[in-house]
Amino acid sequence: AQRVTQPEKLLSVFKGAPVELKCNYSYSGSPELFWYVQYSRQRLQLLLRHISRESIKGFTADLNKGETSFHLKKPFAQEEDSAMYYCALIRTGRRALTFGSGTRLQVQP
Amino acid sequence: NAGVTQTPKFRVLKTGQSMTLLCAQDMNHEYMYWYRQDPGMGLRLIHYSVGEGTTAKGEVPDGYNVSRLKKQNFLLGLESAAPSQTSVYFCASSDIQGVGEQYFGPGTRLTVT
Repeated sequence: AQRVTQPEKLLSVFKGAPVELKCNYSYSGSPELFWYVQYSRQRLQLLLRHISRESIKGFTADLNKGETSFHLKKPFAQEEDSAMYYCALIRTGRRALTFGSGTRLQVQP
Repeated sequence: NAGVTQTPKFRVLKTGQSMTLLCAQDMNHEYMYWYRQDPGMGLRLIHYSVGEGTTAKGEVPDGYNVSRLKKQNFLLGLESAAPSQTSVYFCASSDIQGVGEQYFGPGTRLTVT
């Protein structure tokens, strides 16, 4: 069975510092991976997906199949980045996401 | 265009009581999902539906039932609530081509005493 691991429950950084939210997965096939974000008092929403290879709000994530990782990075954190971040995976041919346990990012002024 | 809505927003139940959570979406999405969110455990899939009249079990289906009588609605039922079902429940929907891009509702906070 597939599994998504986010080893850090809380990550606290200062404004302007680099951020890396870790995500590791276990799945023998070729998964699709996503990052979702939940800001305070807002709905969970899709941040980015590995297929798009896009940068959203300054965040990027690269799929490393060798290390089975999909870490989320941003070079300079902003206070408005403070939120709960979830990594998620979908297996080939499946119709549902598997989420990690989430990492709370706190960006201090 | 309201997206995904959930009712109620909050509820307190006594052990053994029953209730139904309603999810509605106006995006004509085929797929709908129910998750529960617990501290330290992330979101876990309870049940999902890939179309009107169909349902399937997710990761944690025990103690819950669902129905999808209309395409736009997905109901989650608790027949006999237990304290272990205290959680925040989220509904989501997606279209067939974008299963990974799910649209979430605002959540229902349920407490079972």
